[in-house]
Amino acid sequence: QSVLTQPPSASGTPGQRVTMSCSGSSSNIGSNAVNWYQQLPGTAPKLLMYRNDQRPSGVPDRFSGSKSGTSASLAISGLQPEDEADFYCATWDDSLNGPVFGGGTKLTVL
Amino acid sequence: QVQLVQSGAEVKKPGSSVKVSCKASGGTFSHNGFIWVRQAPGQGLEWMGGIIPIFETVIYAQKFQGRVTITADKSTDTAYMELSSLRSEDTAVYYCARGSSQLILRTFFDYWGQGTLVTVSS
Repeated sequence: QSVLTQPPSASGTPGQRVTMSCSGSSSNIGSNAVNWYQQLPGTAPKLLMYRNDQRPSGVPDRFSGSKSGTSASLAISGLQPEDEADFYCATWDDSLNGPVFGGGTKLTVL
Repeated sequence: QVQLVQSGAEVKKPGSSVKVSCKASGGTFSHNGFIWVRQAPGQGLEWMGGIIPIFETVIYAQKFQGRVTITADKSTDTAYMELSSLRSEDTAVYYCARGSSQLILRTFFDYWGQGTLVTVSS
């Protein structure tokens, strides 16, 4: 059971916009920035979004992030086949004194 | 460019220990924090613990307290994770990751190792 809650799956067709959610509590998302990691099949996670809505260099602006209260979301516009991956939200938890991850959302591009 | 290169796959017997290494290059090793995260087959990411080499500060997830030891060798820019009393449920890919902000672990993780598969089987 992950500390952060993510829907297990999401899907869309090429060109569509998809969003995925990440729900937490006051001790984690409510008081810390949210980061997102993308894990392509068979590879290590890669930083996709940091401090809620900041994109690392090289990440297309089709990806956007937001946070409100104890929830966060990741949106992908202009969906492309190569976006098919697992997406994990993460943040710091003040009660657990460590980073926590969501269970991951598997994105399928139909 | 920062790179984290982990040691190779391991096969271990139940009850034994495994030690995985993570060698960093291209950055200031001592000042950045490093965490260890594992991923069981078909499962999500699970934080195990972390270290800030310059302070030799180590924190562990409660689940792994007493069973995991995280260390760092500043002379070789290498972090280590040792897990003892292995059981079949510890079969997973183990990743190291570097904290982006220096001197703290309360940050995001911008570079990841390639992962090390540890298989626990009799």
